[in-house]
Parts: sequence; structure tokens; C-alpha cells
Amino acid sequence: SQQGEEDPQALSIQEGENATMNCSYKTSINNLQWYRQNSGRGLVHLILIRSNEREKHSGRLRVTLDTSKKSSSLLITASRAADTASYFCATDEGGRRALTFGSGTRLQVQP
Amino acid sequence: DTGVSQDPRHKITKRGQNVTFRCDPISEHNRLYWYRQTLGQGPEFLTYFQNEAQLEKSRLLSDRFSAERPKGSFSTLEIQRTEQGDSAMYLCASSLEGAGSYNEQFFGPGTRLTVL
Repeated sequence: SQQGEEDPQALSIQEGENATMNCSYKTSINNLQWYRQNSGRGLVHLILIRSNEREKHSGRLRVTLDTSKKSSSLLITASRAADTASYFCATDEGGRRALTFGSGTRLQVQP
Repeated sequence: DTGVSQDPRHKITKRGQNVTFRCDPISEHNRLYWYRQTLGQGPEFLTYFQNEAQLEKSRLLSDRFSAERPKGSFSTLEIQRTEQGDSAMYLCASSLEGAGSYNEQFFGPGTRLTVL
């Protein structure tokens, strides 16, 4: 079953704009990871945020985590056409090592 | 290339045939995972290994599915008597389990299976 649910399901913006995607989950987690997937390809690991962290940055990416609300957000600043992809959040829960993925946000960046 | 590799990248088969996929993880990683992804959905966990031991299997992994990691290095996923519902992308991932690790999983390019 899908634990993380991304919002919105689809997002279309112009190059240079910022893109924000949200993820909600249901159970306690050890960490939350964000991945990017280009059409028909494998997943690329973007960033991991641990349950005791509230914010993390990596280049143009900013991730926040609110464990009280069981939610996370991914912000991509100054978007580029190459950022066009699907973005997934994945949670690592309790003693399990398997990741539970949401259904993803499809981002389209118009040049 | 030191990333996760999968072979083949694409497989077309007829219903009822058996298929086998291979995954080579990042060399120093001791954990290996298999996931399945259908169109428009996120990946769903199938099974994972720590070294050569298979530690967890999902309910999605029916009796027709079997996975091995004989020497704790590469892994194979076999589907017997394929059905059209098995058509999906099969993704492999690996991670390093140990002190200071946080279960960052790195994925291969996937094997896309089409069952006719």
C-alpha cells in the first residue's frame, strides 16, 4: 500500500519559477527520502531527511519535514526544463527497511 | 560506472513463459531490494536481501516469483508462468547497512517487462 501521498499530482510551471511538492504519510518514520524519475527510467536519489531534522538543503533543493503533521515538502528553486520529471517521496518506517512510496508528482517545466 | 545495473533493460514475453532478471548492486552495498512499478504509480516493495539472506517478502510476491542472491553480490528475480498482470517495471536498489547509515537506497535503471 502507498503510505506517502504527494500533492499536487501534476504541476506545470515556467522555467525560472520555483516548484513546491508536498508529501503526507501515516505512520512514524525513521527518515524520508525524495527521488526523481524521468519518463520510463530508474529513480535518482535526491535527498534524505532524518526524523530528527526539520530542514535540509542540497543545491537548488530544499526539503522540510514536520513529523507532528506527518508531512514533508520539496522545493526546487529556479527550475529548469531538465527538472521535468516525476518526483516521489519514500518513507522508511520503524524496523522495516523497505521504502514505501507515494504515487508521485509529475512536474513539467516549460522552457 | 559504479551504480546499480540491471539486465535486461526490456523484456517482451508471451503469457505462460518464465523470465529472469538480474541486478548488480553497488559493490560495497550489503542490502539489495526489488520493487515493482506500474504505470502512474510509485514503486512497490517486493523483497530484500541482506548479504545472501532474504529477510522480507511482500504479499505481492506470489508463489510464481522467486528471488536469489547466492553469494551476497548480484541477485536474480524469476517469474514463472508469466501473466499479463506481471507487466511492469522491475526496479532493483541497494544500500549499505551499518553504523551511521540511514538506508539511502540507490536504484538501477529497471527492467521493463511486457507480457503479451
